[in-house]
This record gives sequence, structure tokens and C-alpha cells, in this order.
Amino acid sequence: EPEVTQTPSHQVTQMGQEVILRCVPISNHLYFYWYRQILGQKVEFLVSFYNNEISEKSEIFDDQFSVERPDGSNFTLKIRSTKLEDSAMYFCASSEGASGQANSPLHFGNGTRLTVT
Amino acid sequence: AQRVTQPEKLLSVFKGAPVELKCNYSYSGSPELFWYVQYSRQRLQLLLRHISRESIKGFTADLNKGETSFHLKKPFAQEEDSAMYYCALLPRGGANSKLTFGKGITLSVRP
Repeated sequence: EPEVTQTPSHQVTQMGQEVILRCVPISNHLYFYWYRQILGQKVEFLVSFYNNEISEKSEIFDDQFSVERPDGSNFTLKIRSTKLEDSAMYFCASSEGASGQANSPLHFGNGTRLTVT
Repeated sequence: AQRVTQPEKLLSVFKGAPVELKCNYSYSGSPELFWYVQYSRQRLQLLLRHISRESIKGFTADLNKGETSFHLKKPFAQEEDSAMYYCALLPRGGANSKLTFGKGITLSVRP
């Protein structure tokens, strides 16, 4: 069964540094997402991406964040200048369609644990 | 605004015991409810959704609109059920970006 893959599984960075989290969505999926989960808290939506542009973003997704689909397979999340509070598990997800209904459920990657020191 | 509440953080039971993982929601419209599961060191994956009315791995969940609940139940827990479980809500017909998760509950099934 096809899977969403994320690299690296764990990233440690110093405050103020830039990080890029990488994801390879399922190949026939058209919608891509980033979620994050701060330790002990709920999974939160960050951004959705379709047709090479952001379709929706949450208030968490400020100017420090950006997403890109640099080629036909990768989907990246960049944090320009990391802060301590950016430490979290970041999940990439993809879906065939836009809706969470039966025909377009979200498929998640294993996540990247980002630790900002 | 929609909200999902999972009031407990941890449920620990013995193998063979019944399990009920609680989920309450707040949403003014017509929601779709889901349960996601995350086994140790694995990805978050969809367990079941209320519109399918299916039983997956012995788990069932019924949407109770009167009580605004979507509790996950299993009559006889197995050790392999140990995992983190998340309840999630989506406005009916809404985009995946509107999916709202609860904080999750850890289910621990002891031998």
C-alpha cells in the first residue's frame, strides 16, 4: 500500500536556524497538508496546498513558515528562523480530494520530530 | 468554532476487558466524526468514520447527536490495541483542512 514518507525522522536545530522538513506524498494525491503536534497537545492544522499554491493556512502558519513543491514528488515545510516553541512533531499528509469524506481520507506520514535548542 | 474533547489522557485495562474511549464534540452544524489511531512508532492512521458504520479490529463508534458524543468501544481489548487514539471532527462536506483533533488518549492493554 502506498505511504506518505517523511524525512528526517528527527531533526535537532539551534534557535534561529532554518530547517526544511521533507515529505513525499502518495503519488496520485493532489492535496497536501502539514500538521504539527506539540508534546502533550493536540494535532493542529498548519497549511493545505493544492495546485502549487497554499489553499488554506491556520494562524500558526505565520511568515516564518513556507511550503513548496519543488518537483513532482517532494513537498517541503521550511521554518526560516526556528524558535524554541517550534519544537513539535510535524506530520505531512496527503489526500486524493479535498474532502475528508469517505473517498478522500487523509493519509499521514510518520512525522518528523523537530527539537529546537 | 468546532471543538473535540477527549476528557481522559490514559486508559489502562487488562486483556479481555471492555474498552470505551470517550469523545465529545461541539459543532453547530452537521459533523463527520473519525477515530484515528497511532501505534507505537507508527503513523497516524484512520481507524473508522461514523458514516461508514463499520467495525474495524473489533472497534465500533456510534454518533450520538443528542449527547454530542462519538465514543469508541470494543467489548474485549487485546494487547495489540495499545496505542494512542484521536477523535477528530470535520464539518460535513468540509475540506480536510478543517479537520479538528482531540488531544488523544493512550490506551494501555495489559496481559
